[in-house]
Amino acid sequence: DQQVKQNSPSLSVQEGRISILNCDYTNSMFDYFLWYKKYPAEGPTFLISISSIKDKNEDGRFTVFLNKSAKHLSLHIVPSQPGDSAVYFCAVYTGNQFYFGTGTSLTVIP
Amino acid sequence: ETGVTQTPRHLVMGMTNKKSLKCEQHLGHNAMYWYKQSAKKPLELMFVYSLEERVENNSVPSRFSPECPNSSHLFLHLHTLQPEDSALYLCASSQEWGGNQPQHFGDGTRLSIL
Repeated sequence: DQQVKQNSPSLSVQEGRISILNCDYTNSMFDYFLWYKKYPAEGPTFLISISSIKDKNEDGRFTVFLNKSAKHLSLHIVPSQPGDSAVYFCAVYTGNQFYFGTGTSLTVIP
Repeated sequence: ETGVTQTPRHLVMGMTNKKSLKCEQHLGHNAMYWYKQSAKKPLELMFVYSLEERVENNSVPSRFSPECPNSSHLFLHLHTLQPEDSALYLCASSQEWGGNQPQHFGDGTRLSIL
């Protein structure tokens, strides 16, 4: 059974608008959450993270929100740019285990 | 350039072959990882090495054998693979072993089993 779910396999957004990528997890014991970005034919690259003691972390155009009661994580990109077109993976951590979502493919339309 | 280099980028092998995947990191990190990514599935953590000692082995079949001769190099030895082992194999490293450590990934080896 998947510990982490990204229920939207794809998302299209107009350039300049907000992109919202979502991630749901099952275990309330997860204590660290990360987002990675992946371009075709490249490995994932780390984007932003948040620990369970926070509910928001911001880095430039990227903001991650954590709703522990709903076991929900989201990544907001504002404003979206064509170069943001990529697959975005969420990852969660507890103990010695990492779990990744299946990814959401974001297309930013110029 | 992520600082993590994987070779080869593509590998086609028969089920009876023996081959090895190589990963090298130039970041001075102490932890290294092997992941498997199959189509439509999440990344699966296979092995973790911290300071050259294996710390995680997630029920991976014995036909996959990791080796970490030093903190900069990681190998995945392959033997008698099955068609379902066809996947993208990703290597990653992080400063230390732990979930709050962002991982740096290589570009992967695309493995096809005939």
